[in-house]
Amino acid sequence: KAGVTQTPRYLIKTRGQQVTLSCSPISGHRSVSWYQQTPGQGLQFLFEYFSETQRNKGNFPGRFSGRQFSNSRSEMNVSTLELGDSALYLCASSLPGLAGDRADTQYFGPGTRLTVL
Amino acid sequence: AQKVTQAQTEISVVEKEDVTLDCVYETRDTTYYLFWYKQPPSGELVFLIRRNSFDEQNEISGRYSWNFQKSTSSFNFTITASQVVDSAVYFCALTDPFRLTTGTASKLTFGTGTRLQVTL
Repeated sequence: KAGVTQTPRYLIKTRGQQVTLSCSPISGHRSVSWYQQTPGQGLQFLFEYFSETQRNKGNFPGRFSGRQFSNSRSEMNVSTLELGDSALYLCASSLPGLAGDRADTQYFGPGTRLTVL
Repeated sequence: AQKVTQAQTEISVVEKEDVTLDCVYETRDTTYYLFWYKQPPSGELVFLIRRNSFDEQNEISGRYSWNFQKSTSSFNFTITASQVVDSAVYFCALTDPFRLTTGTASKLTFGTGTRLQVTL
């Protein structure tokens, strides 16, 4: 079974631009989560989508948004890019938990490395 | 608030040495899950293990073993007979408080990671 795929793998943008990153989950997985990884802040949760609905959200400004499509693929968008948005953006997918199992194991993609100049 | 502490920033060992990576967590939740992930230079986080708060049994998988101690809020990871291929950054993570509305805990709080360097 193919793993989580993310496109593009690398991206260079300038301040003020906007960017859209794409994530295709493992086949059959319905939940997609996004994380930002930077040297200073580490790994931080952005948001999670399940059945096309945002189910959980981290503490990021409104410039960061996302959506999920009916085939579970997800996109995240960052508008008005700032230098501090340079990071590795990781997408993770998971199956719905089993009955009585209260957490899904998240499987991560290779990430998109965004550089903002 | 959820917190995961990995006090060891970087560890260097020679191949075949055993190494233990420490993880200490804080949570007020009674139901939670702990995870370990490996991040090689390629960047992808590779899932290693998941443990729920009701299962304190230690686990062994090949050269890897995990020691979960609720009394000390620790979930330590030991690599026996380390190899060069084990060189990576290792992250410990904790689920956020169980959400009654959705029934699952979807957000992970990560520690800062421990960089393991294994040399010949």
